[in-house]
Amino acid sequence: QKEVEQNSGPLSVPEGAIASLNCTYSDRGSQSFFWYRQYSGKSPELIMFIYSNGDKEDGRFTAQLNKASQYVSLLIRDSQPSDSATYLCAVNSPSGGSNYKLTFGKGTLLTVNP
Amino acid sequence: DAGVTQSPTHLIKTRGQQVTLRCSPKSGHDTVSWYQQALGQGPQFIFQYYEEEERQRGNFPDRFSGHQFPNYSSELNVNALLLGDSALYLCASSLGGGFGQPQHFGDGTRLSIL
Repeated sequence: QKEVEQNSGPLSVPEGAIASLNCTYSDRGSQSFFWYRQYSGKSPELIMFIYSNGDKEDGRFTAQLNKASQYVSLLIRDSQPSDSATYLCAVNSPSGGSNYKLTFGKGTLLTVNP
Repeated sequence: DAGVTQSPTHLIKTRGQQVTLRCSPKSGHDTVSWYQQALGQGPQFIFQYYEEEERQRGNFPDRFSGHQFPNYSSELNVNALLLGDSALYLCASSLGGGFGQPQHFGDGTRLSIL
């Protein structure tokens, strides 16, 4: 069974600090990796995606991928109270033929304290 | 540029009833995936539609069925509702059937079963 694992948290950081969110996955055939932010009572919002090993930066967000270790992370620099949300890691893995399926972790709750 | 739209926003049903949820994909997208999200969990994949056909399916019973129309919009039908079907139902759209393409979510339909 293909799994995506995240620490459920809560992860608490002070305003202005770096928040580090981690995710591991079991399927070595996984090809693409996504981070979604979900505010309480709302739907997931795509914030980052990464396909290749290494780092990808977009504003205050950096996604890091290490396929050998089957590990993907999200760093949030200069964390703001508005970043307080659940962060979902999602992994696109082959599911037969030419199909790929998106599997989500349970999410990590991040709280940024003013 | 219209995003993914879902209707209705909220729905209350009783056990044994049937429900139909609707989704219009983001402009330019041709693939629709449906997810069920229980409280405190990540979204669970139900099925995906592309070219008006169900391309792949998650571990959900046959009570869950769907349809995609020529304009790429989609419906999710659930028969013989159970208490455990209470959840947030999310529709996500993407382009070209899935590999590597980010999925964008609608606001969801919150289904409550009494």
